[in-house]
Amino acid sequence: EVQLVQSGAEVKKAGESLKISCKVSGYSFTSYWIGWVRQMPGKGLEWVGIIYPGDSDTRYSPSFQGQVTISADKSISTAYLQWSSLKASDTAMYYCARGHSSSWTVFDPWGQGTLVTVSS
Amino acid sequence: DIVMTQSPDSLAVSLGERATINCKSSQSVLYSSNNKNYLAWYQQKPGQPPKLLIYWASTRESGVPDRFSGSGSGTDFTLTISSLQAEDVAVYYCQQYYNTLNTFGQGTKLEIK
Repeated sequence: EVQLVQSGAEVKKAGESLKISCKVSGYSFTSYWIGWVRQMPGKGLEWVGIIYPGDSDTRYSPSFQGQVTISADKSISTAYLQWSSLKASDTAMYYCARGHSSSWTVFDPWGQGTLVTVSS
Repeated sequence: DIVMTQSPDSLAVSLGERATINCKSSQSVLYSSNNKNYLAWYQQKPGQPPKLLIYWASTRESGVPDRFSGSGSGTDFTLTISSLQAEDVAVYYCQQYYNTLNTFGQGTKLEIK
């Protein structure tokens, strides 16, 4: 069974750094793209970026370019999303999801989400 | 960016009745070389992550009940639930994946009347 298990909820202060994780199992980690999607409280879905763990090819939405870093560690089948300096506006649920067999940017399945709360 | 606009924003339908959600893209998501529409639909139930329902505008994901269907081409798309069940209460999103900068619609909240 394909599973994406994300790290737990985080409460941080503005200006702090953070790295959240997405550990996958049940398939070859290096053979599918992994994407990240933001959902602000009560709002819709926003595409953050995507990484191909096989060669670390990474693409970002222009809205998130320079604001976050996506990475992957093949040795432990884990993808990451990190911030060097959080803002209160980063408060949101963040989901990781695997690229689908039909297209690299159709996402299925999804992780359970990591809630990031940033206080000012 | 391709802007995706869903209508309506919310919808209340009686159990057993048909529910229809529309999605319009600001430019065509039909790729002429393969004649495929780069449009997907997701369902997000309260407190859960999204779940893929349909891709290529009309291909149902494995395990998705056949009461869910997708149609449309170019810039106008529709998700139809033929006979609404209680477990279909959710927010539904369309997504274009025509270009690398994927974008989602704002979501349509489906409730029971």
